[in-house]
Amino acid sequence: DAGVTQSPTHLIKTRGQHVTLRCSPISGHKSVSWYQQVLGQGPQFIFQYYEKEERGRGNFPDRFSARQFPNYSSELNVNALLLGDSALYLCASSLVGGDTQYFGPGTRLTVL
Amino acid sequence: AQSVAQPEDQVNVAEGNPLTVKCTYSVSGNPYLFWYVQYPNRGLQFLLKYITGDNLVKGSYGFEAEFNKSQTSFHLKKPSALVSDSALYFCAWGYNFNKFYFGSGTKLNVKP
Repeated sequence: DAGVTQSPTHLIKTRGQHVTLRCSPISGHKSVSWYQQVLGQGPQFIFQYYEKEERGRGNFPDRFSARQFPNYSSELNVNALLLGDSALYLCASSLVGGDTQYFGPGTRLTVL
Repeated sequence: AQSVAQPEDQVNVAEGNPLTVKCTYSVSGNPYLFWYVQYPNRGLQFLLKYITGDNLVKGSYGFEAEFNKSQTSFHLKKPSALVSDSALYFCAWGYNFNKFYFGSGTKLNVKP
């Protein structure tokens, strides 16, 4: 079975631009969560979606938004990019909102 | 603030020796605790979790962890380290699974 997939693998943007990251969960998983991992730090929770509804939100500005589609895939959008948004963005899926999370390989975002 | 802490940035151990990676928690109520491992340029892989019940939890790749409520610890252990165990290890906690919070990570170096 395929694991969690994320696209793109790498992305380079300039300050002020907008970016969309995509995630496909493991088949049958209905919950998707997003994390930001800055180099040398642990992942920071951004959002959790379950059954297409936002169920949890971390301490991130409103420039960060997400949504979950009927097929349970998800998008993370970041507006008005800052240099500090450069990070590895991880997506994780789980069967339900209260279960073990399985992570994708991440999208490496570089903001110049 | 509720959190998990990993007091050691790096742990060095010789192959064949037992290893311990430390994690302490400061979480009210009954925390759900997890260990994940991250290999270079890869996403996080689930190792084990504690929800309730037996304080000794067995996980993947021969790892285990002991939940100690009196010491508020959840240390990861393995009886005999392998060079291939060298990676970044993260302790995490979740409450109702709507949010996951990770520690800062511990780099494990296993030397031949």
